[in-house]
Amino acid sequence: AQTVTQSQPEMSVQEAETVTLSCTYDTSENNYYLFWYKQPPSRQMILVIRQEAYKQQNATENRFSVNFQKAAKSFSLKISDSQLGDTAMYFCAFMKHNTGNQFYFGTGTSLTVIP
Amino acid sequence: GAGVSQSPSNKVTEKGKDVELRCDPISGHTALYWYRQSLGQGLEFLIYFQGNSAPDKSGLPSDRFSAERTGGSVSTLTIQRTQQEDSAVYLCASSPVLSSPTGELFFGEGSRLTVL
Repeated sequence: AQTVTQSQPEMSVQEAETVTLSCTYDTSENNYYLFWYKQPPSRQMILVIRQEAYKQQNATENRFSVNFQKAAKSFSLKISDSQLGDTAMYFCAFMKHNTGNQFYFGTGTSLTVIP
Repeated sequence: GAGVSQSPSNKVTEKGKDVELRCDPISGHTALYWYRQSLGQGLEFLIYFQGNSAPDKSGLPSDRFSAERTGGSVSTLTIQRTQQEDSAVYLCASSPVLSSPTGELFFGEGSRLTVL
């Protein structure tokens, strides 16, 4: 079975600073996808960033980037130049390749950006 | 519609009553998921529909929970004889065809259920 672990229940960061959210996972699969989803107070989860396991290059989306360490099974999210709108719950998720029903989510990290 | 639509947004019910939660996925999305999110918890998988295939019900916590998807579009999650531990946010998500390389889920805003 796959498990996703987020060891930081809550974090805070000063506006404009950088913060890193950690995520580790356990799997015997070789092909899979990793995701970070953001859930603001409005409750609607939105995709922040996605990483295919076969790609060595770390994914980047504007101020969001990941540090994907496949051997260590680690997938951290770095948010640069934090903004007040980044305040949300962040969930790390794992999906086996080509099995659309097998998403595994971590328990989330609540991030607060302090003005 | 433009996104996944869920109703009601909030539902308060008395213990023992039945409730129905509705999800209208993005048009053309063949995969539909129900998740439960309890306070301080991650997302708990409940059920998954993919096209005309038999649904994956492996996540339903008890036989009080059931779901159907009519015409491959709208889905209804039914909870019978609600208990206080059923209080949670129920999230629906849809996704394009299974072969999509993105694996991205598109979520609704959820239905918050409170059982008194």
